[in-house]
Amino acid sequence: DIQMTQSPSTLSASVGDRVTITCRASQSISNWLAWYQQKPGKAPKFLIYKASALETSVPLRFSGSGSGTEFTLTISSLQPDDFATYYCQQYNSYPYTFGQGTKLEIK
Amino acid sequence: EVQLVESGGGLIQPGGSLRLSCAASGFIVSSNYINWVRQAPGKGPEWVSVIYSDGSSKYADSVKGRFTISRDSSKNMVYLQMNSLRAEDTAMYYCARQVAAAGIMYWGQGTLVAVSS
Repeated sequence: DIQMTQSPSTLSASVGDRVTITCRASQSISNWLAWYQQKPGKAPKFLIYKASALETSVPLRFSGSGSGTEFTLTISSLQPDDFATYYCQQYNSYPYTFGQGTKLEIK
Repeated sequence: EVQLVESGGGLIQPGGSLRLSCAASGFIVSSNYINWVRQAPGKGPEWVSVIYSDGSSKYADSVKGRFTISRDSSKNMVYLQMNSLRAEDTAMYYCARQVAAAGIMYWGQGTLVAVSS
């Protein structure tokens, strides 16, 4: 199985900050990577696919990059609604696997 | 509008069985890949199973031989039959539609399964 490792596990930041979350795959997944945002009691919300393609309706302050084994999710200017947990997920091969999550907290 | 609505969760004793249902609207389940993904309390999501458009399926090793995914095209529904349930199967179970090269795009609201004596 492909292991997905996110860092950091927790990130404290303020409104207006630029933040970056890293996701590493244990083997190459090309660009078959998605990012999700999850708030308590809700299903994951689809943000980015193919490592860098933004889902329609997702604000342009979100961006993704990377290929192979190293990927990043960047939020250019944090808004109050962005404080949540973020997960990466590889869909290069089954079993699809998720990172352990990065909790983005208000500083 | 794409919608997925799960049902069938509940409290069940270890060794018991449950069947989860996923009612889909806004698309045809038999033309899509439909996944079940679960999330234990305080943990990240874990992929469980997929049923392909051709009717074939795959399972996570943790549920292989105990869970069975199926669909009813006439009702546009997908099911997850869960047998020999264990405490570690306790989780929110989500039905989710995969879209071509985009991955798992659409998620239901989930149904909670609690395995406890």
